[in-house]
Amino acid sequence: EDQVTQSPEALRLQEGESSSLNCSYTVSGLRGLFWYRQDPGKGPEFLFTLYSAGEEKEKERLKATLTKKESFLHITAPKPEDSATYLCAVPTGRGGSEKLVFGKGTKLTVNP
Amino acid sequence: EPEVTQTPSHQVTQMGQEVILRCVPISNHLYFYWYRQILGQKVEFLVSFYNNEISEKSEIFDDQFSVERPDGSNFTLKIRSTKLEDSAMYFCASRTTGGRQPQHFGDGTRLSIL
Repeated sequence: EDQVTQSPEALRLQEGESSSLNCSYTVSGLRGLFWYRQDPGKGPEFLFTLYSAGEEKEKERLKATLTKKESFLHITAPKPEDSATYLCAVPTGRGGSEKLVFGKGTKLTVNP
Repeated sequence: EPEVTQTPSHQVTQMGQEVILRCVPISNHLYFYWYRQILGQKVEFLVSFYNNEISEKSEIFDDQFSVERPDGSNFTLKIRSTKLEDSAMYFCASRTTGGRQPQHFGDGTRLSIL
């Protein structure tokens, strides 16, 4: 069964304090990996797609990387507005379904 | 920027009643999904829909659930006889064709069963 595990469950940082979030996955034939941001009471907001080991994507203070077994979301010099839950998901399923299997997420709090 | 819209944002229903959750996917998308998220738990897949039929459904999606695309813009999830354990956030998502395309999510409907 395809599984996604994220760590830590929660992370508190001071503004400007860089860190990384981890997403490890077990899938039969990786078809990509997605990172989403979720604010309280909102739906997941798409951030990045990673397709193959060694790939990196960047957006403002966020950089996502992918290896054969895990992905990291690096946050450089975070600001309070980066506070959110960050979700990792892999597509799986039959044919063109491409349903997503999500991790439980990392709740990030950035204090000013 | 195009977005997925869901209505209502919050639905309160008595146990045993029918409820319909509505979604307007992004206009040029052809794959549609429903997920749910029970408070404090993972986002979990319910059903995928393409070419006017269900592509895949989870074990959660039993005979009490159905989906429909009644016209060219709406995508609905119906729960025929709601249970207390159906209380959750329900998210609609859509994606365009082609491999490795991200799914884009609406802001959800919070369903509360009393």
